[in-house]
Amino acid sequence: GENVEQHPSTLSVQEGDSAVIKCTYSDSASNYFPWYKQELGKRPQLIIDIRSNVGEKKDQRIAVTLNKTAKHFSLHITETQPEDSAVYFCAAKDTGGFKTIFGAGTRLFVKA
Amino acid sequence: EPEVTQTPSHQVTQMGQEVILRCVPISNHLYFYWYRQILGQKVEFLVSFYNNEISEKSEIFDDQFSVERPDGSNFTLKIRSTKLEDSAMYFCASNSEAVYGYTFGSGTRLTVV
Repeated sequence: GENVEQHPSTLSVQEGDSAVIKCTYSDSASNYFPWYKQELGKRPQLIIDIRSNVGEKKDQRIAVTLNKTAKHFSLHITETQPEDSAVYFCAAKDTGGFKTIFGAGTRLFVKA
Repeated sequence: EPEVTQTPSHQVTQMGQEVILRCVPISNHLYFYWYRQILGQKVEFLVSFYNNEISEKSEIFDDQFSVERPDGSNFTLKIRSTKLEDSAMYFCASNSEAVYGYTFGSGTRLTVV
């Protein structure tokens, strides 16, 4: 069935450094790739998304890249700050359907 | 900013009891979803609802689960006979188009004892 693999499961960086989270997906029909940030005890919140007709998208300190051929997509956070500490989930969706498949999450720690 | 609201925030129930989790999606959204998250694990799809009917459901969403939109604003998830393994955080979500990302509610933590 459809699956989204996410790595690493835990990532610890120094404040100011960059963080990269990588995901792969199995369903070649997937064409929409959102990223959610979940702070402890809170709801997941959409932070950025990318569609399959685009290879890269940037929003201030965060950027996403997509390699549709390899079925890889990545989240890049530059100049990390302590408030970036959270669990980040990648996800994949076939916009012809309704469900979104989530990765297992990456717990990011940004050390001050 | 519009929000998806969920009640209650925490529900403790005895195994075998029925529970109803309630959600009020964003008013102009047309697509509604339930997801669950077992503590420390990934967010799992349960069901999607569009045009007053289930549009897609997962293997988790068996005969013990049902959803309803009883009026123009509420969207409910019922679990008929709860099991210990139903203990999880249940998130409601909605969007205006199926091609967009979700707005999640704040969740209901269900504990089955």
